Amino acid sequence: NAGVTQTPKFRILKIGQSMTLQCTQDMNHNYMYWYRQDPGMGLKLIYYSVGAGITDKGEVPNGYNVSRSTTEDFPLRLELAAPSQTSVYFCASRTGAVNTEAFFGQGTRLTVV
Amino acid sequence: AQTVTQSQPEMSVQEAETVTLSCTYDTSENNYYLFWYKQPPSRQMILVIRQEAYKQQNATENRFSVNFQKAAKSFSLKISDSQLGDTAMYFCAFVDMNRDDKIIFGKGTRLHILP
Repeated sequence: NAGVTQTPKFRILKIGQSMTLQCTQDMNHNYMYWYRQDPGMGLKLIYYSVGAGITDKGEVPNGYNVSRSTTEDFPLRLELAAPSQTSVYFCASRTGAVNTEAFFGQGTRLTVV
Repeated sequence: AQTVTQSQPEMSVQEAETVTLSCTYDTSENNYYLFWYKQPPSRQMILVIRQEAYKQQNATENRFSVNFQKAAKSFSLKISDSQLGDTAMYFCAFVDMNRDDKIIFGKGTRLHILP
């Protein structure tokens, strides 16, 4: 099983550039999430989705956009990258049943210089 | 707002010892789930153990067990016979049955197992 797949694993961006972090899951999960994890810190929720066509902001959405056109895919778009967006980004998915765990991708390490 | 607090940013123990990681949470709800996740240096997040709030019996998974005190809103993780492979960041997480779209994570405890 592939689970949750994130691409790329590493990326260096210049200030002002844009990019899309890809996330795909093959478990038919309804709920998907994007988190960022700064060095030595916890997870901060950027955006989440409870199904295709539905997205909602988390606690740190500024500077990011998402879309959910299919159940499988939940890309995260960075517009006008800033050094403050240097972080490790994790995508996760769950079935939506309250007792179910979240499955995480391997993360994308992004550096903005 | 519901919150999860992990008061120990970092801990170190000797291999084979027992260690307990603390987690407290704040909610006015009665039905919810609690989770412990492990993030080793590889960065891959892995579920360690889960607890249903309406079950009084503490969950166990091999060397991992929890001490769930609902009235005190406490959910600590005990690791017995600790191994070098237990070195990781550990996150406590909360899901409210009425808002099951949100997972609320604590800030994490970095655990070092020393040889």
